[in-house]
Amino acid sequence: EAGVAQSPRYKIIEKRQSVAFWCNPISGHATLYWYQQILGQGPKLLIQFQNNGVVDDSQLPKDRFSAERLKGVDSTLKIQPAKLEDSAVYLCASSFPQGYGTGSYEQYFGPGTRLTVT
Amino acid sequence: DAKTTQPTSMDCAEGRAANLPCNHSTISGNEYVYWYRQIHSQGPQYIIHGLKNNETNEMASLIITEDRKSSTLILPHATLRDTAVYYCIVTLSYNQGGKLIFGQGTELSVKP
Repeated sequence: EAGVAQSPRYKIIEKRQSVAFWCNPISGHATLYWYQQILGQGPKLLIQFQNNGVVDDSQLPKDRFSAERLKGVDSTLKIQPAKLEDSAVYLCASSFPQGYGTGSYEQYFGPGTRLTVT
Repeated sequence: DAKTTQPTSMDCAEGRAANLPCNHSTISGNEYVYWYRQIHSQGPQYIIHGLKNNETNEMASLIITEDRKSSTLILPHATLRDTAVYYCIVTLSYNQGGKLIFGQGTELSVKP
């Protein structure tokens, strides 16, 4: 079974530039997540999709970040314009709810995209 | 979601059992305990989860105290490849709106 794919793996941009990250989840996974992980911290959820609808984007800085999941499969996360504090690893994860009450919440993570803003 | 407390770092000798503690004294009755780990330069990886009973799979064992206020993840025979940051997370089920909220985790170093 292929894992979660992300590209690019590394990106260096100057502040005020824009950048986009791409994620292809595991086939059949209905739920897709984007996390931001700043060096030395645990991942922080930015946005959660269920199919092509947004479930939770409460932590997404909407003045500069946007995300979409067209057709309920691939997703892109965009930052425009980037700030120095956006330097982080951006992780994509996917999961397939196992059914009501099972509690199963196994998320499969991609390798991440390391963004450096100079 | 309930918060968890974990030691910042731990060492373990290769081949010995690694016992990683987690305190979650404010856990509610319908919240699960999840463990993930993150090896350097990789995304987090699911290890195991439980509600009340102890659980075991091919990777690890999860021991939850009777009052559910703490738990221990056990890696029975640690190898160098188990060196990683281990996250203990308490959350509701997916269908109850649970989210994975990662703390700082425990950095486990397995030494030869």
